[in-house]
Amino acid sequence: DIQMTQSPASLSASLGETVSIECLASEGISNDLAWYQQKSGKSPQLLIYAASRLQDGVPSRFSGSGSGTRYSLKISGMQPEDEADYFCQQSYKYPWTFGGGTKLELK
Amino acid sequence: EVQLVESGGGLVQPGRSLKLSCVASGFTFSNYGMNWIRQAPGKGLEWVAYISSGSSYIYYAETVKGRFTISRDNAKNTLYLQMTSLRSEDTALYYCARGITDFDYWGQGVMVTVSS
Repeated sequence: DIQMTQSPASLSASLGETVSIECLASEGISNDLAWYQQKSGKSPQLLIYAASRLQDGVPSRFSGSGSGTRYSLKISGMQPEDEADYFCQQSYKYPWTFGGGTKLELK
Repeated sequence: EVQLVESGGGLVQPGRSLKLSCVASGFTFSNYGMNWIRQAPGKGLEWVAYISSGSSYIYYAETVKGRFTISRDNAKNTLYLQMTSLRSEDTALYYCARGITDFDYWGQGVMVTVSS
């Protein structure tokens, strides 16, 4: 199985700060990567697919980048509503696998 | 509005069976691949199973292969997960989610607790 290692496990950001979350795949995944946001007690929501494509309705402060085995999610200007858990997910090879998650809190 | 509503969860003893359902609305269910994804309490996400729109392609996580069966009834807009030989490690919130490679809509989840 492809292992997805996400970092950091948690971070705290101030209002307006730019935040970056990393995901490292155990092998190349050819941009077959998605990012999800999960707020407390809610279902996950798709933010980014195909590594860098913004899902409809997602604010433009969210962006994705990367290639090969290294991918990142950037939030340009932390907002209170961005406080959540974030997960990456590869769809290059079955079984689809998720990163362990990053808990983002507002400082 | 796309809606996915899961049901069928509950408390079950180890070794027993349970069947989850997910009723879809707001889109043409028969055109989409569907998945079950679970999340143990306080843990991350684990993809469980996928079924293609016409049920031709089915894939499972190794942790459930041979014990769980995914199926669908396109006439009823319903996705199912038959779970047998349940173990304590199957305790989780089970989500149904639409998509083939990524998941653009998720249900609210249904809790399955395996305990004696």
